[in-house]
Order: sequence, then structure tokens, then C-alpha cells
Amino acid sequence: DVKVTQSSRYLVKRTGEKVFLECVQDMDHENMFWYRQDPGLGLRLIYFSYDVKMKEKGDIPEGYSVSREKKERFSLILESASTNQTSMYLCASRPWGEETQYFGPGTRLLVL
Amino acid sequence: GNSVTQMEGPVTLSEEAFLTINCTYTATGYPSLFWYVQYPGEGLQLLLKATKADDKGSNKGFEATYRKETTSFHLEKGSVQVSDSAVYFCALSGPQAGTALIFGKGTTLSVSS
Repeated sequence: DVKVTQSSRYLVKRTGEKVFLECVQDMDHENMFWYRQDPGLGLRLIYFSYDVKMKEKGDIPEGYSVSREKKERFSLILESASTNQTSMYLCASRPWGEETQYFGPGTRLLVL
Repeated sequence: GNSVTQMEGPVTLSEEAFLTINCTYTATGYPSLFWYVQYPGEGLQLLLKATKADDKGSNKGFEATYRKETTSFHLEKGSVQVSDSAVYFCALSGPQAGTALIFGKGTTLSVSS
């Protein structure tokens, strides 16, 4: 089975802190994605990556950056956390040539 | 561009009731269509998918048929259980190969015994 893990299930941070959310997949997938999920808004794509060191902006990249130094790991960075970034963050991966995405369990982030 | 519209919830049903969650889409080309399910406190899991017109996806008693003429992919189950309580997301593949799935806003289903 494909396994996508996220470093934390719950995280509480202060406004202005730099926050790192880590995602690791164990199936050698080329593509990885970060979404945020908010009530009434569904899933919105923040960034995705189709290869090591490659990244593409999604629909809502403002206030976020990403890093993909190794194929299995895709990090989401909040440079200076703000309260409007309180949300559920979901990571997903997908092998090249397939359309099905595989999701991690999510990280619920609270910014105070 | 590609987009997905789902019926708004919450949907509240009694156990063994019939379920329909409507999903319609707008797309260029011939996208693949998906239903994902999110159980409380968890990430999304693929429930079923269909890759071309008239295909029927099915899993765990759920079914959905890819209807190109009505641009729909409605999710159905004949008899829901309490354990089906979750959020259901309809999604379609992006307009270009290699892009992310496009998701609807999700429909919350609550089943009581």
C-alpha cells in the first residue's frame, strides 16, 4: 500500500513564527502536492512538485513556500505564520502517468 | 477552466436509507472523475473512479456513473450505514497531464442508527 506520512497531526504556533510541515511518501512517486482544507471551501492547492527541486504554484501560494530536495520528501514552509493560515493541511502524492492521488492524514495547524 | 460542483450538505440520513450525492462538472477534453472520502480525523481516501464516458466506478457498495451528456458523476448507495458518516469529495483530473486534481467543496454525510 502507498503510504504518505505527515510529520505532525496537530500543531500550535504563534503569529510570526516560521513553520515547517513535512510530508514523506514511500512509493517513489514523482508528483507531490500540498493542499489546505477549510470548511465550505473544500481543498485548495497551494503548491505542487513534479520532480526533485521543481515546484509549481497552485491556486493559493501567497504566504507559503515549498522545498523538495529529495524525491520522497516535500516540505511546506510558512515563512511568517498568520492567524488566517489556521487550517488543515493535506499532502498528497501521485506517480507519473496516473491520475489517482494518495493522501496523508493531514496536519491541523492552529496559529495564535 | 475545469471545475466541480457538488450538492451542499450536510446530508442527514437514517441507517439503511438510499443515498445520492450530486456532482456535476465543467471540463475541456475528457477528464477522469473521482470520489474521495474523508472519515473524521483522517486524510482523503479514494472511494471510486471512472476514466471515460459511461464507465461505472464502484466500491464498498457505492457507485457512480460517468455521464458525459449531463456532465455528471453522482454518487449513490442503496443502504447507508453509520460507518459511512464522512465527508465526500467529487474531483476531476486537471486540464493538462501532470496537474493536480480539481475538487468540489465536499458534502458531509451523517448517518444515524
